[in-house]
Amino acid sequence: GAVVSQHPSWVICKSGTSVKIECRSLDFQATTMFWYRQFPKQSLMLMATSNEGSKATYEQGVEKDKFLINHASLTLSTLTVTSAHPEDSSFYICSARVQSGERYNEQFFGPGTRLTVL
Amino acid sequence: AQSVTQLGSHVSVSEGALVLLRCNYSSSVPPYLFWYVQYPNQGLQLLLKYTTGATLVKGINGFEAEFKKSETSFHLTKPSAHMSDAAEYFCAVSDLGANNLFFGTGTRLTVIP
Repeated sequence: GAVVSQHPSWVICKSGTSVKIECRSLDFQATTMFWYRQFPKQSLMLMATSNEGSKATYEQGVEKDKFLINHASLTLSTLTVTSAHPEDSSFYICSARVQSGERYNEQFFGPGTRLTVL
Repeated sequence: AQSVTQLGSHVSVSEGALVLLRCNYSSSVPPYLFWYVQYPNQGLQLLLKYTTGATLVKGINGFEAEFKKSETSFHLTKPSAHMSDAAEYFCAVSDLGANNLFFGTGTRLTVIP
């Protein structure tokens, strides 16, 4: 149990276009999901906390107008990179937090989405 | 505020040898501590975690870690390395609410045949 999926697994886009990444909790509900960014050979950096039914909370230095987050249901959060530029190329990973049961509060991670902006 | 330091960005061991990956943390509150493994182009998989109770924590794939408050450490060990253990390992700390995970910079483990 506690599986998180991401779609797409990889995407290549032209500079100036927008890209949407989906994060789904497949077998549990998650009022809170997290979006991380990972540069090559570096650690994960938290970008924002996605809350179902309310606005996302962004970390300092993350542009909320560039990285749009929508958490419209208890199993789906989306990250849209608007007007993407080459410096946005990165590995984006989401996680979903378990709300109840034995693994309460534990975060389960998706497999990641590799974005390449040409 | 919480932070994590992983000493050694790259560790190489021979197959069958002891694996030791170091992690030191800083936290202003009693921490929750985690070790995650990441295989190439994949997300993170939880190896083990410490919340409360027994300070020696056993995880999957034969890994274990010991929480040492006096040393602010949570080093990851495995008695005998397998080729399949080659991956990137991340130590992370969070507060009691596990609201945010703060990750270390990671340690790449190479297993030499």
